[in-house]
Amino acid sequence: TQLLEQSPQFLSIQEGENLTVYCNSSSVFSSLQWYRQEPGEGPVLLVTVVTGGEVKKLKRLTFQFGDARKDSSLHITAAQPGDTGLYLCAGDNTGGFKTIFGAGTRLFVKA
Amino acid sequence: EPEVTQTPSHQVTQMGQEVILRCVPISNHLYFYWYRQILGQKVEFLVSFYNNEISEKSEIFDDQFSVERPDGSNFTLKIRSTKLEDSAMYFCASSEGGALKETQYFGPGTRLLVL
Repeated sequence: TQLLEQSPQFLSIQEGENLTVYCNSSSVFSSLQWYRQEPGEGPVLLVTVVTGGEVKKLKRLTFQFGDARKDSSLHITAAQPGDTGLYLCAGDNTGGFKTIFGAGTRLFVKA
Repeated sequence: EPEVTQTPSHQVTQMGQEVILRCVPISNHLYFYWYRQILGQKVEFLVSFYNNEISEKSEIFDDQFSVERPDGSNFTLKIRSTKLEDSAMYFCASSEGGALKETQYFGPGTRLLVL
């Protein structure tokens, strides 16, 4: 069974702090996606990481794919209240068309 | 920017009734998906669809569920006889295919409530 485990489940920090959230699996993924989801809305794609060791930056967000392609991290620098939301990682390791999602990290950034 | 759209945004139905949830994927996308998210739980894969047939389905996607692409733009999910536990947000997604097939774009969802 594929599993993507995200940690922490919940994170509450002050504006300006840095944070890292993790997405781990015992399985190898051909790629992993990071999404952000607001309450009552669909997940919005942030990034796809494909190559082991790959690092992608999206403004203050830095995404890394593990060398073995089993894990990924999302680092946010100088968090802002607008970063508040649910961050989800997702991937498919079957080579098919069956994407699984992690349970998410709920981030709350206090002003 | 192109986006996935879904209708209706909300649906309330009685247990045992049939519902059809509609999605319009992004126009040049080739792969289509349905997911559900029960309140407070993770997003769960239901089914993927390519070239007018189901590519993969999960254990959740039993005989009560079916999908169809009735024309060149719509992609529908039908639940034949709804149960209370079918209450959830249902998300449609689409992707371009090839190397980008795993990069899926999600619609805003349909909130289904079964009474």
